[in-house]
Amino acid sequence: QLLESGGGLVQPGGSLRLSCAVSGSRFRDFAMSWVRRAPGKGLEWIAYINYSSRTLYYVDFVKGRFTISRDNSKNTLSLQMDNLRAADTAIYYCAKHSTAYALTPLDPFDIWGQGTVVTVS
Amino acid sequence: SYVLTQPPSVSVAPGTTATITCGGSDIGDKGVHWYQQRPGQAPVLVINYSTERPSGVPGRFSGSNSENTATLTISGVEDVDEADYYCQVWDRSSNHYVFGTGTKVTVL
Repeated sequence: QLLESGGGLVQPGGSLRLSCAVSGSRFRDFAMSWVRRAPGKGLEWIAYINYSSRTLYYVDFVKGRFTISRDNSKNTLSLQMDNLRAADTAIYYCAKHSTAYALTPLDPFDIWGQGTVVTVS
Repeated sequence: SYVLTQPPSVSVAPGTTATITCGGSDIGDKGVHWYQQRPGQAPVLVINYSTERPSGVPGRFSGSNSENTATLTISGVEDVDEADYYCQVWDRSSNHYVFGTGTKVTVL
């Protein structure tokens, strides 16, 4: 089970830190991603972190503004979002990748959280 | 960047077949994943690696992939299948996951 928190209302240029609490002892074995869905739009992948935190990928329009991280000792995934823009308004989901110890991120997302709402206004 | 194109909407009568396409350059060389998202809910994986159905997904869902088009087929559509559907691939050239534009399936 995945449970996001940390969403809310923030002014343009502000910051938020999203968290995703993961239940289950195998969190440390799987890559994780953040995905968002803006109002009236489709799903949009944001960021990826592999199981060991050694590999990170970001979609271009959040590079330099968002930082993905994980704490395997606390079963927690995070997304630090700085310099927020109105276009970042969305529901943000954390998602678990399906393959343990995957060397490359080809695998699908088999478990999703219910999402946390971020409003930039 | 890699683009995946889906029809915005598909309307079908209950018990008939819904076909949702996902167009992308040489997508047949990639593993395509499909997600269902009902209103107010989180996405759910319904097909992975183009043709595989995860445990618990009804048998009426199937997938195919060839050349420049991947397809999700829902046979014997039920009211509960009304949702948005998205295809997804990993694009190695950009190191990005890419979602399709999404298709809203309406059950008449």
